[in-house]
Amino acid sequence: DTAVSQTPKYLVTQMGNDKSIKCEQNLGHDTMYWYKQDSKKFLKIMFSYNNKELIINETVPNRFSPKSPDKAHLNLHINSLELGDSAVYFCASRSWGELFFGEGSRLTVL
Amino acid sequence: AQSVTQLDSQVPVFEEAPVELRCNYSSSVSVYLFWYVQYPNQGLQLLLKYLSGSTLVESINGFEAEFNKSQTSFHLRKPSVHISDTAEYFCAAVAEGGSEKLVFGKGTKLTVNP
Repeated sequence: DTAVSQTPKYLVTQMGNDKSIKCEQNLGHDTMYWYKQDSKKFLKIMFSYNNKELIINETVPNRFSPKSPDKAHLNLHINSLELGDSAVYFCASRSWGELFFGEGSRLTVL
Repeated sequence: AQSVTQLDSQVPVFEEAPVELRCNYSSSVSVYLFWYVQYPNQGLQLLLKYLSGSTLVESINGFEAEFNKSQTSFHLRKPSVHISDTAEYFCAAVAEGGSEKLVFGKGTKLTVNP
C-alpha cells in the first residue's frame, strides 16, 4: 500500500488554466505538507496543515489554495497558471520531524 | 530558526570509490538531522536520521552519517559506492521535538560513473 499518494503524476496545461493536485496519506499522521521542487532540485515548502488547519503558508501567491477536507487529505488548487509554476510538487506527511513523501506531480505549463 | 548548507552541488565519483557528502547546519537549539535520497523521477526517501543517542547512524544500504555537534556537521559517507547510488541527496534539520518546520539543504547530486 502506498503511504502517501498523489494524483495526477503528470499534468500538462496551458497558461491561464486552473488545475488541482490531490494527496492522500494512510499513515495516520496529523501534519501534511506541500513542497515545490524547481528545475534546480531546490525544495521549497509551500504549505503545512495540522489536523485540517493551516499552520504554515510560506508567502505563496494566493493563486495557490490548499484544502484539507480531513487529516488524511491535502489538495492543492492552482488558479490562472503561469509559466513559472512549472515544477514538481510533492506532498508529504510527517511524524516526529520525519517526512514521508509522495512520488510527486510534475506540472508543465505551456 | 535553522539553516542547512550542503557545500557541494555535484559530486562525481567512480564506482567502488569512497564518497563523502558534506552537510553543515546552524541552529540556536538542539536539532534532529536527516539525510533524504531522491532517485531520478521519484520522491524523496529517508536514508537515515539522527534524533539522539549514538552520533553515528547507518542506513541499510551502506551509508553512514556522523553527528558532530562541535562542528555542527552531519556528513554522509559510504566506503564503496555503486552505480545505483546515483541520486540527489538532501540534508535536513528540524528543532528537537520535531514540531517545527523541517529545513532542507539545496541538495548534492551524486553521480557514480563506471
